[in-house]
Amino acid sequence: SQQGEEDPQALSIQEGENATMNCSYKTSINNLQWYRQNSGRGLVHLILIRSNEREKHSGRLRVTLDTSKKSSSLLITASRAADTASYFCATDGGSGGSNYKLTFGKGTLLTVNP
Amino acid sequence: NAGVMQNPRHLVRRRGQEARLRCSPMKGHSHVYWYRQLPEEGLKFMVYLQKENIIDESGMPKERFSAEFPKEGPSILRIQQVVRGDSAAYFCASSPPGARVYNEQFFGPGTRLTVL
Repeated sequence: SQQGEEDPQALSIQEGENATMNCSYKTSINNLQWYRQNSGRGLVHLILIRSNEREKHSGRLRVTLDTSKKSSSLLITASRAADTASYFCATDGGSGGSNYKLTFGKGTLLTVNP
Repeated sequence: NAGVMQNPRHLVRRRGQEARLRCSPMKGHSHVYWYRQLPEEGLKFMVYLQKENIIDESGMPKERFSAEFPKEGPSILRIQQVVRGDSAAYFCASSPPGARVYNEQFFGPGTRLTVL
């Protein structure tokens, strides 16, 4: 598996439900970021969590980071149809690595059905 | 404050032609990054530039690809003699000076290159 790999690959839920996406990575990191990409569009930055942080909130988003397991999760609460998009986690190079070189996984395609 | 601007949004080229992709970073941002996204894939790092300097081009193919970020004007990603395998979405991102540790990158809308 590659650095910054999300699962599941696809997730389909009903409006109002919560959506949880996971990201695993292999090497140490400084930061982990989550992005959203609507079909055929650019990436929108959602949230950045630092390696010394365990949890972060932003509106309906909650991100956790477990550096011992090299994993992160993105929770979207009370989902809306407009949340339908692909979600990517991106990690940087960590200690001794290039912290500007973000590595993305293939993403989780979230579909929120009205 | 306008976001990262890229143009053109869509570019069609025939095999052997040149493709020039432009990126204007956010105001006040001095770091520019180019990424490529193949269909059904995540973004792959290509190159990192600061004004008039290429900092890291380790993700860029050695041949046919080049990038620059001049003192004045946008950053340019240039692909010479394009081949079908170059068809992809090319994204530019920028970050402000001093973002060495907390590297939050802001992405443009991308340029979708199609090689016929």
